[in-house]
Amino acid sequence: NAGVMQNPRHLVRRRGQEARLRCSPMKGHSHVYWYRQLPEEGLKFMVYLQKENIIDESGMPKERFSAEFPKEGPSILRIQQVVRGDSAAYFCASSIGDEKLFFGSGTQLSVL
Amino acid sequence: KQEVTQIPAALSVPEGENLVLNCSFTDSAIYNLQWFRQDPGKGLTSLLLIQSSQREQTSGRLNASLDKSSGRSTLYIAASQPGDSATYLCAAANTNAGKSTFGDGTTLTVKP
Repeated sequence: NAGVMQNPRHLVRRRGQEARLRCSPMKGHSHVYWYRQLPEEGLKFMVYLQKENIIDESGMPKERFSAEFPKEGPSILRIQQVVRGDSAAYFCASSIGDEKLFFGSGTQLSVL
Repeated sequence: KQEVTQIPAALSVPEGENLVLNCSFTDSAIYNLQWFRQDPGKGLTSLLLIQSSQREQTSGRLNASLDKSSGRSTLYIAASQPGDSATYLCAAANTNAGKSTFGDGTTLTVKP
């Protein structure tokens, strides 16, 4: 039973480009969460999704950031027109309802 | 707004020692509290989950306690080993398990 899969592990973008981060939850998990870990800072909640629905996006910046979890396929975190301040590790977690969170290995985004 | 604090930020102990990591939270109306381990460059591994109605959880050499009234949780590690060296994070969830507020972690080094 594969764990939470995130890809790519490392992503390099130039300022102004788009970044697309993918997350496949554990089999049977219908709840997906995205967190961001900025350099020298703790993990911060961004968004909570269930299949085809955004449940809570209170931690996500209002501009340039969007997330989806379609009926088929992985969850996508999309960052448009990236800036240097977006450089961080982005983690995805999944769960079955209100149970333990299982995290992926993260995507390290570097903006040049 | 929930705030989670972990003290100390770093801890170094000789192998074999028993140790306690501390976590405090400001909003006692938590849904659950989870302890994680993070190795450098890796994702988070869930160690223990304590539901709001529970006082403690145990797994092997690990024991986590929860005192909602005082806003504290502790992670006790018995007979520490070099392989326990990692950053330990606690996360408090107020509404659902996935939307958690993380502390900044305690970085543990166990010396052989």
